[in-house]
Amino acid sequence: EIVLTQTPLSSPVTLGQPASISCRSNESLVHSDGKTFLSWLQQRPGQPPRLLIYKVSTRFSGVSDRFSGSGAGTDFTLKISRVEADDVGVYYCMQATQFPRTFGQGTKVEIK
Amino acid sequence: EVQVLESGGGLVQPGESLRLSCAASGFALNTYGMTWVRQAPGKGLDWVSTVSSTGETFYADSVKGRFTISRDISKNTLFLQLNSLRVEDTAIYYCARGYGTDSFDYWGQGTLVTVSS
Repeated sequence: EIVLTQTPLSSPVTLGQPASISCRSNESLVHSDGKTFLSWLQQRPGQPPRLLIYKVSTRFSGVSDRFSGSGAGTDFTLKISRVEADDVGVYYCMQATQFPRTFGQGTKVEIK
Repeated sequence: EVQVLESGGGLVQPGESLRLSCAASGFALNTYGMTWVRQAPGKGLDWVSTVSSTGETFYADSVKGRFTISRDISKNTLFLQLNSLRVEDTAIYYCARGYGTDSFDYWGQGTLVTVSS
Protein backbone atom coordinates (compact mmCIF):
# COMPACT_ATOMS: atom_id res chain seq x y z
CA GLU A 1 0.00 0.00 0.00
CA ILE A 2 1.23 3.48 -0.87
CA VAL A 3 1.58 5.71 2.18
CA LEU A 4 1.31 9.48 1.74
CA THR A 5 2.82 11.70 4.42
CA GLN A 6 1.80 15.35 4.56
CA THR A 7 3.71 18.15 6.25
CA PRO A 8 2.94 20.23 8.13
CA LEU A 9 -0.16 18.82 9.80
CA SER A 10 -1.16 22.32 10.83
CA SER A 11 -0.42 25.59 9.07
CA PRO A 12 -1.39 28.91 10.66
CA VAL A 13 -1.18 31.55 7.93
CA THR A 14 -1.64 35.31 7.82
CA LEU A 15 -4.29 36.49 5.38
CA GLY A 16 -2.71 37.45 2.08
CA GLN A 17 0.42 35.39 2.73
CA PRO A 18 1.35 32.20 0.87
CA ALA A 19 0.97 28.67 2.21
CA SER A 20 2.64 25.47 1.14
CA ILE A 21 1.82 21.84 1.90
CA SER A 22 4.09 18.92 1.15
CA CYS A 23 2.98 15.38 0.31
CA ARG A 24 5.59 12.66 0.21
CA SER A 25 4.96 9.11 -1.01
CA ASN A 26 6.80 5.99 0.13
CA GLU A 27 7.06 4.91 -3.51
CA SER A 28 6.94 6.50 -6.93
CA LEU A 29 3.51 7.63 -8.10
CA VAL A 30 4.45 7.31 -11.77
CA HIS A 31 2.02 4.87 -13.36
CA SER A 32 3.07 2.32 -15.97
CA ASP A 33 1.43 4.59 -18.55
CA GLY A 34 3.84 7.38 -17.59
CA LYS A 35 1.24 9.56 -15.88
CA THR A 36 1.27 10.54 -12.23
CA PHE A 37 -2.05 10.30 -10.42
CA LEU A 38 -1.66 12.63 -7.46
CA SER A 39 -4.47 15.00 -6.57
CA TRP A 40 -5.32 17.56 -3.89
CA LEU A 41 -8.66 18.04 -2.19
CA GLN A 42 -9.94 20.70 0.17
CA GLN A 43 -12.44 20.07 2.94
CA ARG A 44 -13.93 23.16 4.51
CA PRO A 45 -15.44 22.77 7.99
CA GLY A 46 -18.68 20.80 7.87
CA GLN A 47 -18.45 20.26 4.13
CA PRO A 48 -17.63 17.30 1.87
CA PRO A 49 -14.25 17.25 0.17
CA ARG A 50 -13.81 19.31 -2.98
CA LEU A 51 -11.37 18.59 -5.78
CA LEU A 52 -8.72 21.27 -6.36
CA ILE A 53 -5.93 19.69 -8.41
CA TYR A 54 -5.50 16.38 -10.25
CA LYS A 55 -2.62 14.73 -12.09
CA VAL A 56 -0.17 16.75 -9.98
CA SER A 57 -0.82 20.17 -11.46
CA THR A 58 -4.13 20.38 -13.38
CA ARG A 59 -6.60 22.69 -11.68
CA PHE A 60 -10.18 21.43 -11.62
CA SER A 61 -12.86 23.55 -13.25
CA GLY A 62 -13.68 26.69 -11.27
CA VAL A 63 -10.72 26.42 -8.90
CA SER A 64 -8.90 29.69 -8.23
CA ASP A 65 -5.50 30.14 -9.85
CA ARG A 66 -4.19 30.96 -6.37
CA PHE A 67 -3.94 27.18 -6.00
CA SER A 68 -1.11 25.38 -7.78
CA GLY A 69 0.31 21.89 -7.63
CA SER A 70 3.77 20.67 -8.49
CA GLY A 71 6.13 17.78 -8.00
CA ALA A 72 7.19 14.48 -9.45
CA GLY A 73 7.98 10.93 -8.43
CA THR A 74 7.53 10.85 -4.67
CA ASP A 75 7.48 14.54 -3.69
CA PHE A 76 4.58 16.88 -4.30
CA THR A 77 3.52 20.34 -3.17
CA LEU A 78 0.31 22.33 -3.01
CA LYS A 79 0.78 26.09 -2.88
CA ILE A 80 -1.75 28.77 -2.09
CA SER A 81 -0.33 32.04 -3.36
CA ARG A 82 -2.34 34.39 -1.13
CA VAL A 83 -4.45 32.83 1.59
CA GLU A 84 -8.02 34.07 1.92
CA ALA A 85 -10.47 33.44 4.76
CA ASP A 86 -12.38 31.03 2.52
CA ASP A 87 -9.31 28.76 2.28
CA VAL A 88 -9.63 27.62 5.91
CA GLY A 89 -10.03 23.86 6.10
CA VAL A 90 -8.18 20.58 5.79
CA TYR A 91 -6.24 19.74 2.64
CA TYR A 92 -5.59 16.17 1.55
CA CYS A 93 -3.36 14.68 -1.09
CA MET A 94 -4.54 11.45 -2.69
CA GLN A 95 -2.93 8.92 -5.01
CA ALA A 96 -4.68 6.87 -7.68
CA THR A 97 -1.63 5.24 -9.21
CA GLN A 98 -2.43 1.99 -7.42
CA PHE A 99 -5.24 0.32 -5.54
CA PRO A 100 -5.96 0.81 -2.73
CA ARG A 101 -6.41 4.53 -3.28
CA THR A 102 -4.82 6.30 -0.32
CA PHE A 103 -4.97 9.75 1.23
CA GLY A 104 -2.52 11.77 3.24
CA GLN A 105 -3.41 12.47 6.89
CA GLY A 106 -4.58 15.98 6.05
CA THR A 107 -3.16 19.45 6.73
CA LYS A 108 -5.25 21.95 8.61
CA VAL A 109 -4.93 25.49 7.27
CA GLU A 110 -6.09 28.18 9.66
CA ILE A 111 -5.78 31.93 9.86
CA LYS A 112 -3.19 33.26 12.28
CA GLU B 1 -25.46 20.00 -13.56
CA VAL B 2 -23.59 17.04 -12.08
CA GLN B 3 -24.89 15.93 -8.69
CA VAL B 4 -24.62 12.89 -6.47
CA LEU B 5 -26.87 12.38 -3.47
CA GLU B 6 -26.35 9.72 -0.84
CA SER B 7 -29.00 8.16 1.38
CA GLY B 8 -29.53 5.10 3.54
CA GLY B 9 -27.37 5.80 6.56
CA GLY B 10 -28.54 5.20 10.09
CA LEU B 11 -27.90 3.66 13.49
CA VAL B 12 -27.37 -0.10 13.55
CA GLN B 13 -25.95 -2.65 15.96
CA PRO B 14 -22.71 -4.54 15.39
CA GLY B 15 -23.23 -7.44 12.99
CA GLU B 16 -26.18 -5.83 11.23
CA SER B 17 -26.47 -4.68 7.62
CA LEU B 18 -27.27 -1.48 5.77
CA ARG B 19 -27.55 -0.47 2.12
CA LEU B 20 -26.40 2.95 1.02
CA SER B 21 -27.59 4.55 -2.19
CA CYS B 22 -26.10 7.30 -4.32
CA ALA B 23 -28.39 8.86 -6.91
CA ALA B 24 -26.46 10.44 -9.77
CA SER B 25 -27.74 13.15 -12.07
CA GLY B 26 -26.22 15.17 -14.88
CA PHE B 27 -24.16 12.26 -16.19
CA ALA B 28 -24.55 8.58 -17.03
CA LEU B 29 -23.25 6.21 -14.36
CA ASN B 30 -21.96 3.70 -16.91
CA THR B 31 -19.57 6.27 -18.41
CA TYR B 32 -17.70 7.00 -15.18
CA GLY B 33 -16.06 5.10 -12.39
CA MET B 34 -17.70 5.72 -9.02
CA THR B 35 -16.24 5.55 -5.55
CA TRP B 36 -17.19 5.40 -1.88
CA VAL B 37 -14.97 7.21 0.62
CA ARG B 38 -15.66 7.33 4.35
CA GLN B 39 -14.63 9.61 7.17
CA ALA B 40 -14.80 8.54 10.79
CA PRO B 41 -15.71 11.30 13.28
CA GLY B 42 -12.84 13.77 13.54
CA LYS B 43 -10.62 11.67 11.27
CA GLY B 44 -9.27 11.81 7.72
CA LEU B 45 -10.52 10.38 4.44
CA ASP B 46 -10.54 6.63 3.95
CA TRP B 47 -11.10 5.02 0.54
CA VAL B 48 -13.65 2.19 0.70
CA SER B 49 -14.51 0.93 -2.79
CA THR B 50 -14.53 1.81 -6.49
CA VAL B 51 -16.43 0.46 -9.47
CA SER B 52 -15.00 1.22 -12.90
CA SER B 53 -17.09 2.35 -15.86
CA THR B 54 -16.92 -1.23 -17.13
CA GLY B 55 -18.10 -2.70 -13.83
CA GLU B 56 -14.82 -3.90 -12.33
CA THR B 57 -14.84 -3.58 -8.55
CA PHE B 58 -12.15 -2.80 -5.99
CA TYR B 59 -12.24 -2.82 -2.18
CA ALA B 60 -10.18 -1.74 0.78
CA ASP B 61 -8.87 -4.74 2.72
CA SER B 62 -10.78 -3.55 5.80
CA VAL B 63 -14.14 -4.06 4.05
CA LYS B 64 -13.40 -6.85 1.58
CA GLY B 65 -15.87 -9.70 2.00
CA ARG B 66 -18.27 -7.52 4.02
CA PHE B 67 -19.14 -4.62 1.67
CA THR B 68 -20.37 -4.85 -1.91
CA ILE B 69 -20.44 -2.03 -4.43
CA SER B 70 -22.96 -2.21 -7.25
CA ARG B 71 -24.90 0.02 -9.60
CA ASP B 72 -28.27 0.12 -11.32
CA ILE B 73 -27.60 1.77 -14.66
CA SER B 74 -31.29 2.08 -15.47
CA LYS B 75 -31.82 4.11 -12.30
CA ASN B 76 -28.43 5.85 -12.53
CA THR B 77 -27.84 4.85 -8.90
CA LEU B 78 -24.79 3.49 -7.09
CA PHE B 79 -25.09 1.26 -4.04
CA LEU B 80 -22.94 0.08 -1.19
CA GLN B 81 -24.16 -2.97 0.72
CA LEU B 82 -22.65 -3.03 4.20
CA ASN B 83 -22.80 -6.40 5.98
CA SER B 84 -21.37 -7.60 9.29
CA LEU B 85 -20.95 -4.02 10.42
CA ARG B 86 -18.41 -3.21 13.12
CA VAL B 87 -18.10 -0.29 15.51
CA GLU B 88 -15.07 0.89 13.51
CA ASP B 89 -17.23 1.25 10.38
CA THR B 90 -18.90 4.26 11.99
CA ALA B 91 -18.33 7.16 9.59
CA ILE B 92 -19.81 9.55 7.11
CA TYR B 93 -19.92 7.71 3.79
CA TYR B 94 -19.38 9.87 0.72
CA CYS B 95 -20.18 8.94 -2.83
CA ALA B 96 -17.87 10.52 -5.41
CA ARG B 97 -17.68 10.43 -9.18
CA GLY B 98 -14.44 9.04 -10.48
CA TYR B 99 -12.16 6.06 -10.76
CA GLY B 100 -9.37 8.07 -9.18
CA THR B 101 -6.99 8.70 -12.06
CA ASP B 102 -8.73 12.01 -12.76
CA SER B 103 -9.39 12.06 -9.03
CA PHE B 104 -12.91 12.29 -7.60
CA ASP B 105 -14.46 15.38 -9.07
CA TYR B 106 -17.98 15.53 -7.63
CA TRP B 107 -18.90 14.56 -4.09
CA GLY B 108 -22.17 14.17 -2.28
CA GLN B 109 -22.95 15.59 1.15
CA GLY B 110 -22.48 12.17 2.71
CA THR B 111 -24.64 9.85 4.79
CA LEU B 112 -23.82 8.96 8.39
CA VAL B 113 -23.53 5.33 9.44
CA THR B 114 -23.34 4.70 13.17
CA VAL B 115 -22.60 1.21 14.46
CA SER B 116 -23.19 0.94 18.17
CA SER B 117 -24.70 -1.44 20.69
